[in-house]
Amino acid sequence: QLVLTQSPSASASLGASVKLTCTLSSGHSSYAIAWHQQQPEKGPRYLMKVNSDGSHSKGDGIPDRFSGSSSGAERYLTISSLQSEDEADYYCQAWGSGVVFGGGTKLTVL
Amino acid sequence: EVQLVESGGGLVQPGGSLRLSCAASGFTFSSYSMNWVRQAPGKGLEWVSYISSSSSTIYYADSVKGRFTISRDNAKNSLYLQMNSLSAEDTAVYYCATKWGDYWGQGTLVTVSS
Repeated sequence: QLVLTQSPSASASLGASVKLTCTLSSGHSSYAIAWHQQQPEKGPRYLMKVNSDGSHSKGDGIPDRFSGSSSGAERYLTISSLQSEDEADYYCQAWGSGVVFGGGTKLTVL
Repeated sequence: EVQLVESGGGLVQPGGSLRLSCAASGFTFSSYSMNWVRQAPGKGLEWVSYISSSSSTIYYADSVKGRFTISRDNAKNSLYLQMNSLSAEDTAVYYCATKWGDYWGQGTLVTVSS
């Protein structure tokens, strides 16, 4: 069964970098995932799709500060030069005969 | 400009029904598989249902199987979700989105309460 695991919370200082992780369950390490951002009181926004080889395709207008990578069963979202508006919930999504979402990571910008 | 606009949400009593609609514009809707995704108050995203571009493949989350029906009309650039036998656990903001979420609607709130 496909399961995506995310840490519930993360924090980093303004101007710093942070790396969020989404872990695919055993047997699913070749799966691509998508990252979405949800700012407070807003709907989700597509950031990028990350493939198992680490290649990624970003959505329209997503700043270069956002990047994706991959290692084994882990998919990463790195945000550099953190800004206050990056404080949000971040969800990963995979496809396996239906959509699976991770539980989300709440990012706090200190 | 790409737009997905949901409608049809509201207050409904337990056991009642609602039909949500999602109007698409600014992209070739007929080429995209679509999802309904919901978010209960204070909770994370929960996938509800999927329909392929031609309606040939449909999937449902176990939590809604047998109660919800997804459909689409490519001629009208529209996606639908018929929701029956609603309970308080179905209270959420409902979003329509493309398969990989590259496009999302703004959501419509469904509240199930007596």
